[in-house]
Amino acid sequence: AQSVAQPEDQVNVAEGNPLTVKCTYSVSGNPYLFWYVQYPNRGLQFLLKYITGDNLVKGSYGFEAEFNKSQTSFHLKKPSALVSDSALYFCAVRDPSGASKLTFGTGTRLQVTL
Amino acid sequence: DAGVIQSPRHEVTEMGQEVTLRCKPISGHNSLFWYRQTMMRGLELLIYFNNNVPIDDSGMPEDRFSAKMPNASFSTLKIQPSEPRDSAVYFCASSLIPSGGPYEQYFGPGTRLTVT
Repeated sequence: AQSVAQPEDQVNVAEGNPLTVKCTYSVSGNPYLFWYVQYPNRGLQFLLKYITGDNLVKGSYGFEAEFNKSQTSFHLKKPSALVSDSALYFCAVRDPSGASKLTFGTGTRLQVTL
Repeated sequence: DAGVIQSPRHEVTEMGQEVTLRCKPISGHNSLFWYRQTMMRGLELLIYFNNNVPIDDSGMPEDRFSAKMPNASFSTLKIQPSEPRDSAVYFCASSLIPSGGPYEQYFGPGTRLTVT
């Protein structure tokens, strides 16, 4: 069965510094990977996805993610964090066999401080 | 586009009452998903539909929960009877799933359910 792991419950970073939110996955075959963000009292918003091709995927709000097949990772990154980036971030994987559903990680809370 | 619409946004009810949550997916989307989010259990997929047909309901907690999708633009999640442990935020999401195309899901704002 497919799964994703987000090893950090919380990541703290100062505004202006680079940020990384980690995600590793387990799936048979080539994965479809996604990142979502959830602001307080809101639904999840799609940030970016990896399907195939370039290992560096660019998404919304200046975020990007690097797919690493050998390390089965899909870490979310941003060169310069903003206080407004503070939110809950979810990594998700879709079964490449064709089933529509996504399996989400437990989420990582990102706290960006001045 | 208005996005995924959920109603009500907040629901407070007493144990034993029936609760119905509603969702209108994005027009043109052919897959619909119901999730539940709690602090203890995180985000759980309850059930999803493709082309109005339930595909996987293995996440539905028990028989008290039921979901329907009578047409492409409307779905309901019903809890009868409700219990305090059902208190959570319930999200609906929709997606366009053409054959071979993994498209992202778009989430509604959620319904915060409190059962007292």
